[in-house]
Amino acid sequence: DAKTTQPPSMDCAEGRAANLPCNHSTISGNEYVYWYRQIHSQGPQYIIHGLKNNETNEMASLIITEDRKSSTLILPHATLRDTAVYYCIVGNFGNEKLTFGTGTRLTIIP
Amino acid sequence: ETGVTQTPRHLVMGMTNKKSLKCEQHLGHNAMYWYKQSAKKPLELMFVYSLEERVENNSVPSRFSPECPNSSHLFLHLHTLQPEDSALYLCASSQEVGGREQFFGPGTRLTVL
Repeated sequence: DAKTTQPPSMDCAEGRAANLPCNHSTISGNEYVYWYRQIHSQGPQYIIHGLKNNETNEMASLIITEDRKSSTLILPHATLRDTAVYYCIVGNFGNEKLTFGTGTRLTIIP
Repeated sequence: ETGVTQTPRHLVMGMTNKKSLKCEQHLGHNAMYWYKQSAKKPLELMFVYSLEERVENNSVPSRFSPECPNSSHLFLHLHTLQPEDSALYLCASSQEVGGREQFFGPGTRLTVL
C-alpha cells in the first residue's frame, strides 16, 4: 500500500474552513484515498473517499490533485466537535488492510 | 452510535487472568475486524473475518484468540497477557471485506497489571 504524509497538528478557528493536506506521492492507479477521523475516546469514523474526482458529502469535501499525488480534506465550517485526529489512508477497494498512520491532530479554536 | 457495540468499555486484568472482549454489529455486515491502538502508535489491524471465516491474522501472538460464531458477533479471548498489551481494542465492521466504509465501535480500554 502507498504511504501517506500528513502534518502532525493544525489549528483552525471555529466557523472557518479547515483544510487538511495529505501527500501520497506513491499512490498507484487503482488505489483510493480514504479519510477517517477519531474523536477523543471514540473509535474512528469514516468521512469520505475518492479515486480521482473531487467528492463532497454532508461532512466534508475531498479535493484530489490531477496527478493524484496529494489531496485535501475540507471541513467547510468547522465546529468545536470537529476537534479530532484525521487520518488519510490510501488503499485498494477490496483490500482489507486499511493502514492507519499517525494522522493530523486538528484543534478547533473558539 | 455507529451500530457497533463493544463490551466491556474498560477492563483491568492481571497477567494470569483469562478474559474476553465482545463486539456486536447491528448493521447486517459480512466483515468484522479487530484493531489494537496503543498509546502514541497508529492503529494496528489484528484480525479480519468474512462471513465467520478468518481471512487475515496479522502476526498476532497466540495469547490473543479471536472467535466469530456468526456474522454479527466477534470475540477476542485474552490469556496470559503482558503489560505491553495494554491498549484500546477496537472492533469494526463493513459490508464486505475491504468495504469502503468501516464502522468502528467505541473500543475497550484494556489495562494489564
